[in-house]
Amino acid sequence: AQSVAQPEDQVNVAEGNPLTVKCTYSVSGNPYLFWYVQYPNRGLQFLLKYITGDNLVKGSYGFEAEFNKSQTSFHLKKPSALVSDSALYFCAVRDGLGDTGRRALTFGSGTRLQVQP
Amino acid sequence: DSGVTQTPKHLITATGQRVTLRCSPRSGDLSVYWYQQSLDQGLQFLIQYYNGEERAKGNILERFSAQQFPDLHSELNLSSLELGDSALYFCASSPLVGEQFFGPGTRLTVL
Repeated sequence: AQSVAQPEDQVNVAEGNPLTVKCTYSVSGNPYLFWYVQYPNRGLQFLLKYITGDNLVKGSYGFEAEFNKSQTSFHLKKPSALVSDSALYFCAVRDGLGDTGRRALTFGSGTRLQVQP
Repeated sequence: DSGVTQTPKHLITATGQRVTLRCSPRSGDLSVYWYQQSLDQGLQFLIQYYNGEERAKGNILERFSAQQFPDLHSELNLSSLELGDSALYFCASSPLVGEQFFGPGTRLTVL
């Protein structure tokens, strides 16, 4: 079974400082990894994904994520945080094995990012 | 705007009742997924349909069922509702390869 851990319920950072939101995963085979963001009373918005290739993935709104196979991690990063980045962030994984039609995502518990002005 | 639409936006009902949630996927997406988001369970996968056929099942209760119609829209039916079924229900769609795009969700309140 696949699983995702987001060890921090909340991350606080000052505007302009770099931010990191942590994610570790467990999956059979090669992982397909995703980050989504959820603003209040909104659905989940896709930020970025890792399927294969370069370990540093660039996504929307200046976010990037680093895939580390040996540490089974996929941390979300941004060089300079904005107040508008304050939201709930979800890491998700699915395995790349088997029936290509089965693509259900397993989500982490979410990390609330608070960026202070 | 992800291109995935869900109706209704809010639903308030009583225990024991039955409701239907509707989802229209992005144009061209054949896969539809249903997820439940609650405070105690987090975001959980319920069920996936691909081109009208059930493809994967997650933590979906027997009281819940879903279907995908020939025009690819999907409905999630929740019956014999309990207080604990109160949650946000999301629909997502995806092409054969690629990320899932989520709708705005339906907030279900069971009183």
